[in-house]
Amino acid sequence: DVKVTQSSRYLVKRTGEKVFLECVQDMDHENMFWYRQDPGLGLRLIYFSYDVKMKEKGDIPEGYSVSREKKERFSLILESASTNQTSMYLCASSLSGTGDNEQYFGPGTRLTVT
Amino acid sequence: GENVEQHPSTLSVQEGDSAVIKCTYSDSASNYFPWYKQELGKGPQLIIDIRSNVGEKKDQRIAVTLNKTAKHFSLHITETQPEDSAVYFCAATVYQTGANNLFFGTGTRLTVIP
Repeated sequence: DVKVTQSSRYLVKRTGEKVFLECVQDMDHENMFWYRQDPGLGLRLIYFSYDVKMKEKGDIPEGYSVSREKKERFSLILESASTNQTSMYLCASSLSGTGDNEQYFGPGTRLTVT
Repeated sequence: GENVEQHPSTLSVQEGDSAVIKCTYSDSASNYFPWYKQELGKGPQLIIDIRSNVGEKKDQRIAVTLNKTAKHFSLHITETQPEDSAVYFCAATVYQTGANNLFFGTGTRLTVIP
């Protein structure tokens, strides 16, 4: 079974802190994604990566950055956390190739910024 | 970019009844339409998908229909059971830059009443 793990289920951080959210997948997938999930807004893509050291902006990249130094690991970074970044963050991975490959999601990290 | 709208936002049905969730998309180039189910405390998981060369697909109690002309697709769950209670997301995708970016709807919270 594909397994996508996220470093924390719950995080509480203060405004202005630098926050790292880690995601690891164990199926040698090329593609990895970071989404945020908010009530009434669904899942919105923050950043994605289709190869090691490659990254592409999604729909809402402002205030975030990412790092992919190894194929299995994709990190989301909040340079200076703000209260409007309080949300559920979901990581996903998929095989490369055509656009119809299943995305496998981690359990999510609920981040609260106070 | 692609815009996916999903209705209703909440749906309550009696156990054994059918449930229908509807989505529309804006980009006529979209050619792959997955549905994801998110149970409490978990990440979304693919339950069924349909490609643009097919009008309907069934898998036991769930089915998806696609109308390319009208740019809408629907999820049908028959003989609903309490374990069907979850949040359901539709999505559409246009293949780009080696990764399959999914554009998600805003989600439908389905409650099956025993």
